[in-house]
Amino acid sequence: RKEVEQDPGPFNVPEGATVAFNCTYSNSASQSFFWYRQDCRKEPKLLMSVYSSGNEDGRFTAQLNRASQYISLLIRDSKLSDSATYLCVVVSYNTDKLIFGTGTRLQVFP
Amino acid sequence: NAGVTQTPKFRVLKTGQSMTLLCAQDMNHEYMYWYRQDPGMGLRLIHYSVGEGTTAKGEVPDGYNVSRLKKQNFLLGLESAAPSQTSVYFCASSDRGLAAYEQYFGPGTRLTVT
Repeated sequence: RKEVEQDPGPFNVPEGATVAFNCTYSNSASQSFFWYRQDCRKEPKLLMSVYSSGNEDGRFTAQLNRASQYISLLIRDSKLSDSATYLCVVVSYNTDKLIFGTGTRLQVFP
Repeated sequence: NAGVTQTPKFRVLKTGQSMTLLCAQDMNHEYMYWYRQDPGMGLRLIHYSVGEGTTAKGEVPDGYNVSRLKKQNFLLGLESAAPSQTSVYFCASSDRGLAAYEQYFGPGTRLTVT
């Protein structure tokens, strides 16, 4: 089983839609969580950190469920510019490594 | 600030050839990393450095060597390229530790080994 698993998609949604992605992780010692965004043929960029209490940044909401070992990303009012691949990143302090998921591809259409 | 830069952007090598990828950052970051990204695999850490003059192995270090002679530069070497090393290579840097802080990525180097 992969340490971090994501549905590869693509998720095809119309502008204005709400879309959510989940990411599951297998190491219960995982302690830090992030969402990165990667545009086609570009480098990953940090979208947001995921805190235990959940956090929101504009149209984006990230949540953590430790009991079920998954994190989620919710995007409201999707824009064409949100089209990208969203990478889930999990960190375990006992290994001190960032583990990247393979990404979920989002395509927003007009 | 240019952030993190990588050279070259593209390269084609024949099996057995060697090359060095250069990463430079102008943010005065202590930590630097080399990743490779392959379809269906996600980003995987090759080597990293926690400061000038230090290097450490990541998840997939075999076939690669690194050096950090200057704080702003992190070099990745392939001594004898193999087709399995065909990949997109990303360099990254961060202000502090491996785990807890934002990593800034360079634009990537697309390497093909034939």
